[in-house]
Amino acid sequence: DAGVTQSPTHLIKTRGQHVTLRCSPISGHKSVSWYQQVLGQGPQFIFQYYEKEERGRGNFPDRFSARQFPNYSSELNVNALLLGDSALYLCASSPPAGNYGYTFGSGTRLTVV
Amino acid sequence: TQLLEQSPQFLSIQEGENLTVYCNSSSVFSSLQWYRQEPGEGPVLLVTVVTGGEVKKLKRLTFQFGDARKDSSLHITAAQPGDTGLYLCAGNDHFGNEKLTFGTGTRLTIIP
Repeated sequence: DAGVTQSPTHLIKTRGQHVTLRCSPISGHKSVSWYQQVLGQGPQFIFQYYEKEERGRGNFPDRFSARQFPNYSSELNVNALLLGDSALYLCASSPPAGNYGYTFGSGTRLTVV
Repeated sequence: TQLLEQSPQFLSIQEGENLTVYCNSSSVFSSLQWYRQEPGEGPVLLVTVVTGGEVKKLKRLTFQFGDARKDSSLHITAAQPGDTGLYLCAGNDHFGNEKLTFGTGTRLTIIP
């Protein structure tokens, strides 16, 4: 079975541009969460979606937005990129009634120059 | 804001030695998870503990959840080079909330 797949794997953008990151969860998983991991730190929660509805949002500015599609795949959008947005963006999926562990994708490495 | 502090931040030991990594918070968690992360990869779940005082074993790894569900430890016996990686603890503050709060991480290096 395929795990959580994320695309692209690497991305270089210029300050002020916008970016769209994509995630496909494990088949049967309806929940998708997004995390930002800055070098040397643990991941920080950005969003969680379940059945296409936003269930949680972390302490990130409105430049960050996300959505989930009927097939449970998800997109994370970041507008007006800043140098500080450079990070590994991780997507995680979990089965219904979570709290028992998440499967993470390999992430998208975003570099803003 | 819930925080999870891990110690030590960095640990480098010889193959065959034992080690313990700690994860501490002033907040109560409904469940706590441990992950290992390799460079360029996402975290991989090792274990989830949900009951205060719970102990789980995964081969040479032993995980314990504190009685008050505010802290956890990971003990590795006879460390091997394959244990090298970034170890992260992460907690849920209540059931039904899938937001994970991650710790600061412990970077472990096992020297052959």
